[in-house]
Amino acid sequence: EIVLTQSPGTLSLSPGERATLSCRASQSVSSKSLVWYQQKPGQAPRLLIFGASSRATGVPDRFSGSGSGTDFTLTISRLEPEDFAVYYCQQYGSSGYTFGQGTKLEI
Amino acid sequence: QVQLVQSGAEVKKPGASVKVSCKASGYTFTVYYMHWVRQAPGQGLEWMGMVNPTDGNTNYAQKFQGRVTMTRDTSTSTVYIELSILRSEDTAVYYCARELPGQTYFDYWGQGILVTVSS
Repeated sequence: EIVLTQSPGTLSLSPGERATLSCRASQSVSSKSLVWYQQKPGQAPRLLIFGASSRATGVPDRFSGSGSGTDFTLTISRLEPEDFAVYYCQQYGSSGYTFGQGTKLEI
Repeated sequence: QVQLVQSGAEVKKPGASVKVSCKASGYTFTVYYMHWVRQAPGQGLEWMGMVNPTDGNTNYAQKFQGRVTMTRDTSTSTVYIELSILRSEDTAVYYCARELPGQTYFDYWGQGILVTVSS
């Protein structure tokens, strides 16, 4: 099973700053299957990025995804107050779907 | 608009079973796979498995095989998950989420159901 490790566990930033979140896989992952979600307290996850770099419908262009192989990054160019949440990466492989443990983005 | 509406919270005793539902609307039910993902309190997301609404075929995460059953009712556009031999570690919010076959991501999620296992 592919293990996804996200770093940092918690990221403390201010509105207007740039956020860089990392997702590292224990073995190579198809870029097609690397996904990012945002989750706010008490809510279901929201799809942000699929195929490592494609934004989902309605996702602002300040969110971008990049990477390949074992290293993937979610970047938020200029943080808005509503961006403070937990972010999860996810991949699909032969053992099914696995998620990273999450990065909490806090003010 | 696409909606996945899940049934209400459940409280069960250890060793019991629980069956919860997820009713889909706003799209053609049989076009999308339906997955179940759970989240223990304060923890991350865990994929449990999926059901193909077209034919009822399932694919379960190895961790849950033998203890989970996912079914669907095409007449009501509803999918179900039943988890048996509950233990306290099964206390979690259970989400349904849909996937267009082959896309490997979940674009719509239900609101989640809290299942509490406690004696």
